[in-house]
Amino acid sequence: KAGVTQTPRYLIKTRGQQVTLSCSPISGHRSVSWYQQTPGQGLQFLFEYFSETQRNKGNFPGRFSGRQFSNSRSEMNVSTLELGDSALYLCASSPGWETQYFGPGTRLLVL
Amino acid sequence: EDKVVQSPLSLVVHEGDTVTLNCSYEVTNFRSLLWYKQEKKAPTFLFMLTSSGIEKKSGRLSSILDKKELSSILNITATQTGDSAIYLCAVGGSNTGNQFYFGTGTSLTVIP
Repeated sequence: KAGVTQTPRYLIKTRGQQVTLSCSPISGHRSVSWYQQTPGQGLQFLFEYFSETQRNKGNFPGRFSGRQFSNSRSEMNVSTLELGDSALYLCASSPGWETQYFGPGTRLLVL
Repeated sequence: EDKVVQSPLSLVVHEGDTVTLNCSYEVTNFRSLLWYKQEKKAPTFLFMLTSSGIEKKSGRLSSILDKKELSSILNITATQTGDSAIYLCAVGGSNTGNQFYFGTGTSLTVIP
């Protein structure tokens, strides 16, 4: 089975811009979660989607949003980028309510 | 506030040593505890522990969940240089799906 894929792998943006990241889960997995990883804060939960519905949400501002499509692929959008948004964004897929498998991540640099 | 704390923050050992990594948590609606290994890439899954399975073992790695003490340990015996990585502990705390709280990790360095 193919693993979790994320695109793009690297991204450079400037403050104020917006960005969209994409995640394709493992075939058959219906849950997709997004995490932000920074050296200072570690891995922080952004949100989880299951069957096109947001099932859980972390404590991030409304600039961070996501969605999931009928094929379980998910996108995450960050609007009005700030320097502090520079991070590794990880997507994890799960069959439903259990172990999560991570993708390679998208490294975002905001200048 | 839900939180997961790992200790020590970092560890340097020699090949062949045995190490114990700790994870303590305060998470409402506890459902499961996961251990991951992260090298210079995405975390890779090691173990999942739940209330119904408090000990797991795979080769030189083993993990125990103590629900009374709200903690878990990850043991690595006969360490090898390939074990050098950051080990992450994550605790699931939602009745309605996957919401995991991660610790900041323990950085393990194994020197020959």
